[in-house]
Amino acid sequence: SQTIHQWPATLVQPVGSPLSLECTVEGTSNPNLYWYRQAAGRGLQLLFYSVGIGQISSEVPQNLSASRPQDRQFILSSKKLLLSDSGFYLCAWRSQGTLNQPQHFGDGTRLSIL
Amino acid sequence: AQSVTQPDIHITVSEGASLELRCNYSYGATPYLFWYVQSPGQGLQLLLKYFSGDTLVQGIKGFEAEFKRSQSSFNLRKPSVHWSDAAEYFCAVGGMDSSYKLIFGSGTRLLVRP
Repeated sequence: SQTIHQWPATLVQPVGSPLSLECTVEGTSNPNLYWYRQAAGRGLQLLFYSVGIGQISSEVPQNLSASRPQDRQFILSSKKLLLSDSGFYLCAWRSQGTLNQPQHFGDGTRLSIL
Repeated sequence: AQSVTQPDIHITVSEGASLELRCNYSYGATPYLFWYVQSPGQGLQLLLKYFSGDTLVQGIKGFEAEFKRSQSSFNLRKPSVHWSDAAEYFCAVGGMDSSYKLIFGSGTRLLVRP
């Protein structure tokens, strides 16, 4: 069966520090991968998605970047964190080429910026 | 533009009472529709999905939803709520392009009175 892992689960970082959040998927190949951010009391905002290795699409201009160095690995990064980067970050995957499949989510990373 | 509206930010029901959470969408073609549930500090779990066919779909945990094209709605229902159903519920609409992106509503927080 397929599983998705995100780490770390929680992270406290000072303003101006770098960031690296990792997401890996097991049990499937060539998935679509997604990064979302959920601000407190808000819905989910799609940040990035990827349909293949090295292919990244950005949905909103911001202080973050994403990379997909391997088929089942998706990384969210920042060179210098801002206070506004605080939030709950969720990674999701979906099978490609099959229309009737939903996205599946990881357990998220709670990021607090001090 | 594609959008999803969940008009109720909070809903409080008594345990054992029936539940209906509202979702309206705006989408230019036949949408793919989903309901997800999120417990505090957790990722999103898929409750049910609609792609085509029978407009009344059954999901996990005793939930069901009905697709009404004429009303652009996809309301979630449960005949008898349990205290463990207290969570945040998200409606989402997805398209058929290669990204399979989802657009989420802002969520409805369900509180259950004992």
